Amino acid sequence: IAGITQAPTSQILAAGRRMTLRCTQDMRHNAMYWYRQDLGLGLRLIHYSNTAGTTGKGEVPDGYSVSRANTDDFPLTLASAVPSQTSVYFCASSRQGNTDTQYFGPGTRLTVL
Amino acid sequence: GENVEQHPSTLSVQEGDSAVIKCTYSDSASNYFPWYKQELGKGPQLIIDIRSNVGEKKDQRIAVTLNKTAKHFSLHITETQPEDSAVYFCAASKEGTGFQKLVFGTGTRLLVSP
Repeated sequence: IAGITQAPTSQILAAGRRMTLRCTQDMRHNAMYWYRQDLGLGLRLIHYSNTAGTTGKGEVPDGYSVSRANTDDFPLTLASAVPSQTSVYFCASSRQGNTDTQYFGPGTRLTVL
Repeated sequence: GENVEQHPSTLSVQEGDSAVIKCTYSDSASNYFPWYKQELGKGPQLIIDIRSNVGEKKDQRIAVTLNKTAKHFSLHITETQPEDSAVYFCAASKEGTGFQKLVFGTGTRLLVSP
């Protein structure tokens, strides 16, 4: 069982370009999440999905979009990247939402120049 | 909304010493408090959690205490080892209808020196 996989591992992107970060889980978890991690700010929720077909906005959703076409995949798209989106992005999943344990992927390090 | 503050931001101890990391939260309705450990280059991993119906929970060398009146909770690591070196995050959430997000503290970098 792989758990959660993320791709790419790292990426350098020119400002203004479109980028999709991929996330796949094989645990059949209902809930999935995208966080960004910045030094001194901890983990901040970007978007979440309680179940396939539904998504919601987190704490810092501007400039990002997500989709949840099926249980396993939860891609995060930056429509037009800006330097402030330079960060480490983590995908996570949990069996249900609320207070179930969240399992995190290995992260994607994104640099926007 | 919920706000979680975590202290200290960095903590250096000698191997064998104890380490304590403290967090405070603002929403008195929060009732779930997990702790995550993040090793270099990896995603965070749950190490222990506590719910508001208990005041303390222990798992081998790690323990978490909760004071609901004061709205703070702490992580205690005894007999620290070099492999305990990592960044630790506290978080808070609450059970309820609808989506209740997990709010994280800003992290504590623990360094255990041999």
